[in-house]
Amino acid sequence: DIQMTQSPSTLSASVGDRVTITCRASQSISDWLAWYQQKPGKAPKLLIYKASSLDSGVPSRFSGSGSGTEFTLTISSLQPDDFATYYCQQYNSYSPLTFGGGTKVEIK
Amino acid sequence: QVQLVESGGGVVQPGRSLRLSCAASGFTFSSYAMHWVRQAPGKGPEWVAVILYDGTNKYYADSVKGRFTISRDNSKNTLYLQMNSLRGDDTAVYYCASGKVQWLVFDYWGQGTLVTVSS
Repeated sequence: DIQMTQSPSTLSASVGDRVTITCRASQSISDWLAWYQQKPGKAPKLLIYKASSLDSGVPSRFSGSGSGTEFTLTISSLQPDDFATYYCQQYNSYSPLTFGGGTKVEIK
Repeated sequence: QVQLVESGGGVVQPGRSLRLSCAASGFTFSSYAMHWVRQAPGKGPEWVAVILYDGTNKYYADSVKGRFTISRDNSKNTLYLQMNSLRGDDTAVYYCASGKVQWLVFDYWGQGTLVTVSS
């Protein structure tokens, strides 16, 4: 199985901050990586796929980069609605599809 | 607009069975792969299974292989998950999700249905 490791696990930030979350794969996954945002009691929401493609309707302050084994999700200016938990997911192999452990973005 | 609505969750004893359903609307259901993803309390999401648009190919996580069966009825725009030999570690919110933008990416999700396995 391809293991996905996110860091940090928790991040404290203020509105307006630039925030970066890292996701590392245990082997190369090319750019087959997606990012999701999840709020308490809700289903995850797709933000980015193929490492850097923004899903429809997602604000442009979200961006993704990387390839191979190292990836980042950046929020250019954190907004109140962005406080949530973020997950990366690899889809280089469907045997199985795997998620990172999550990064909780908290209010500082 | 795309809508996915799961049903069928509940409390079930270990070793028993349960069938989940997911009613889809707002898109051409028969054209896209569909997934089940679960999330145990306080944990991250875990992919469970995927079925291709026409039902010909299905893939499973090792944790459910041989116990769970994913299926679909394109005439009813409905996805199913038959869960047999349930165990305590199957306790989770179960979500159906579509793979429209790319077949292995979960672009639309339902609200989830809670399955609790307990005696």
